Order: sequence, then C-alpha cells, then structure tokens
Amino acid sequence: AQSVTQPDIHITVSEGASLELRCNYSYGATPYLFWYVQSPGQGLQLLLKYFSGDTLVQGIKGFEAEFKRSQSSFNLRKPSVHWSDAAEYFCAVTLRGTGRRALTFGSGTRLQVQP
Amino acid sequence: GAGVSQSPSNKVTEKGKDVELRCDPISGHTALYWYRQRLGQGLEFLIYFQGNSAPDKSGLPSDRFSAERTGESVSTLTIQRTQQEDSAVYLCASSPRDPLLHGYTFGSGTRLTVV
Repeated sequence: AQSVTQPDIHITVSEGASLELRCNYSYGATPYLFWYVQSPGQGLQLLLKYFSGDTLVQGIKGFEAEFKRSQSSFNLRKPSVHWSDAAEYFCAVTLRGTGRRALTFGSGTRLQVQP
Repeated sequence: GAGVSQSPSNKVTEKGKDVELRCDPISGHTALYWYRQRLGQGLEFLIYFQGNSAPDKSGLPSDRFSAERTGESVSTLTIQRTQQEDSAVYLCASSPRDPLLHGYTFGSGTRLTVV
C-alpha cells in the first residue's frame, strides 16, 4: 500500500547535538517530497522540498534533507539543534501527475530539545 | 489578509450536534484544502477545491461531512451529528493554482472537541 512512514514518534536530543529524522515512502514512482514543521499553536511551515535534481536539498532554519532512491527515504538533518527547534516534524508527499496535489503526511516525529 | 485564517480556533460541542468550521484563504489563492489531524497522527486529506471546478471529496470520511466554497473565497466545513471520533484539529490550506510552484499556506487550525 502507498504510505509515508516516520518510524520515530518521539526523539530527544541535547541542544547543540546533531539531528536526523527518518522518513520512508512506499510508492510505485518517486513522489514529490516535503518536510514541514509544526510548532505549538502555529500552522505548518515548509522546511524544504525535493522535486528532482540534486539529492541533497537545503531548507530554512539550517535544515537539509537527502533523497535516497535506493532506500525510498528522505531523511531530515540538522548539524546543531537549537532549543527553538522543539516541535513536531512531518514528512509529506504528493504524487507526480495528479491534478489535485493533495499532500499525504506521515504520522509525525515530535522533537524535544534538552538544555 | 496576510495568511490563512480559520475560525473558531477552538470548538467544544456535544455529541450529536452539528458544527461549522470556517476557512478564509489568502486572497487570490484558487486552491483550497481541508485536512484533519487526530491526536498523535499526521494530517488526513478531506477535500480539495480548485477555482470553480467540482471539488474533490474523496477524503471525506462519511456523509456527515460536507464542505462548501463560493468561488475563490471562504470555505466552510460542516460536520453533522458529531461523534467523539470527530475530535481533531481541522486544518485548512490554500495555494495559487499549482502549489508545487507556489507552495501551500496552512492556517492554524480549529481544534474540535466532541464531548
């Protein structure tokens, strides 16, 4: 079945430590890939997206993600986490060739940052 | 306005009552999406409007759910005879015609609690 999986429900890291959030997808063809962040009381904000080309994409707030076709993954990384990065992170996809462009989301990873 | 506005921000209703949720998209955005986010889960697509085209209702979970949009303006999501499983945050997003080019802008959501 087509799906987006974020295997880590909750991750805790220390401030200044590196971060990697995992995302795997299961689709017949490579979809368009996105990472969103949701902070308490705020709307979803786009961090970065991958459509084609360079498999390492840079986003806002110092985040980057790497697309690996062989692993059907699109993991989000940050070299040094700040306390303000504590939030919920969602991987999302939309299929190529579909008109409506509705996003399909993973179940999210909640990031906690320890001082 | 500057962003997508949703009202009310919070709604508590008794089981069996009808509720109406409102979304004001960004002016000029022809595409509008409704999503549902249950506690601890990702967003589920509900319905998509694109200009004056017939809406894509394929994500609506039951016939108790309906949505309307007049032209490219305000949209309302109506849930009839609410059930406890309808408790969730309902998010609206809007976009210029092709969100892959222009991105999606999400509102802050309406938190619905059915008691």
